[in-house]
Amino acid sequence: EDQVTQSPEALRLQEGESSSLNCSYTVSGLRGLFWYRQDPGKGPEFLFTLYSAGEEKEKERLKATLTKKESFLHITAPKPEDSATYLCAVQARGNQFYFGTGTSLTVIP
Amino acid sequence: DADVTQTPRNRITKTGKRIMLECSQTKGHDRMYWYRQDPGLGLRLIYYSFDVKDINKGEISDGYSVSRQAQAKFSLSLESAIPNQTALYFCATSDLSLETQYFGPGTRLLVL
Repeated sequence: EDQVTQSPEALRLQEGESSSLNCSYTVSGLRGLFWYRQDPGKGPEFLFTLYSAGEEKEKERLKATLTKKESFLHITAPKPEDSATYLCAVQARGNQFYFGTGTSLTVIP
Repeated sequence: DADVTQTPRNRITKTGKRIMLECSQTKGHDRMYWYRQDPGLGLRLIYYSFDVKDINKGEISDGYSVSRQAQAKFSLSLESAIPNQTALYFCATSDLSLETQYFGPGTRLLVL
């Protein structure tokens, strides 16, 4: 069964305190792994796509990595404006997308 | 102007009523999707369409139907709404080559 699990469910960081979010997946025929940011009351906003193990993508304070079974979203020296829910999704063979339940990140000034 | 728009943004209805949620996009994408989001369950795919003549069921299509009126428009209908269809509904589009999905602002639906 195709499945995406994110951990932790919630994370509180002090401003400047780096950390990582985890997305583990089991899927038949991974076509892509996606990271999104979602602010309260808004639709998810695309961050990264990763296609193969070993691939890395960076954007400002965020860096996404991919292995054969999981992906990490590393947040370096976070700021309060990085507070949001971060969603992971996988695209399986057959073109369906499966989302995790997200990690709610709060960065305290 | 937003690339993906949804109407209405909020809707309250009663059990048994038929309602329609609408999605329009100006991104020129062929692929469109409908999801629902529930606390603790994440986003779940209801239906998706790869072009005007192609409609596919997603993970949770029971109780829902869709219509792709044009490349830019994709509507979701609840034929007879029930309380457990109370959720936040999102429309999304994607480009054929990139697969990245772009989401609308969502419709918050409450079924009493």
